[in-house]
Amino acid sequence: AQSVAQPEDQVNVAEGNPLTVKCTYSVSGNPYLFWYVQYPNRGLQFLLKYITGDNLVKGSYGFEAEFNKSQTSFHLKKPSALVSDSALYFCAVRDNNNDMRFGAGTRLTVKP
Amino acid sequence: KAGVTQTPRYLIKTRGQQVTLSCSPISGHRSVSWYQQTPGQGLQFLFEYFSETQRNKGNFPGRFSGRQFSNSRSEMNVSTLELGDSALYLCASSLADLPDSPLHFGNGTRLTVT
Repeated sequence: AQSVAQPEDQVNVAEGNPLTVKCTYSVSGNPYLFWYVQYPNRGLQFLLKYITGDNLVKGSYGFEAEFNKSQTSFHLKKPSALVSDSALYFCAVRDNNNDMRFGAGTRLTVKP
Repeated sequence: KAGVTQTPRYLIKTRGQQVTLSCSPISGHRSVSWYQQTPGQGLQFLFEYFSETQRNKGNFPGRFSGRQFSNSRSEMNVSTLELGDSALYLCASSLADLPDSPLHFGNGTRLTVT
């Protein structure tokens, strides 16, 4: 079965520092991978996706993600974190039924 | 273009009651999915509709049901409410029935069962 795992419940970084939110996946066939962000009392917002092609995918709000097939990872990154980036981040994969399966989420806190 | 609209935003019900949640997808989107979000279980897939047909269903009891209308609007119903049904229910729509189509979420309906 297709699945994603987010090994960290919480990530803390200082404003201006680079951030990484980790995600590993397990799929059969070609992976369709996504990152979403959720702000308090809101639904999830799509950030970026990997379908095929370049391993470095650029998305909204300065975020990017690096697809690594050998390590089955799809880590979310940003060169310089902002306090406003503090939110809950979800990695997701489309499964064989075309349903979106989400990781448990990682809470990112950026401190001034 | 208007986003995904979910109504109501908040609901308080008592055990044993039933509830209906509504979702209006982005115009032109034909696929609508429902998710339950709780602190302990994360995001759990409930079901997905495409062109008025339920394509897939998650691992939830039969008390959870849904439907989609010809205009792609969707409703979700939960009967005989239990305390454990307290959660944020999220609806999401997507443009096409394709694996690279991202989901667009509404802000959810917060259901509290007392």
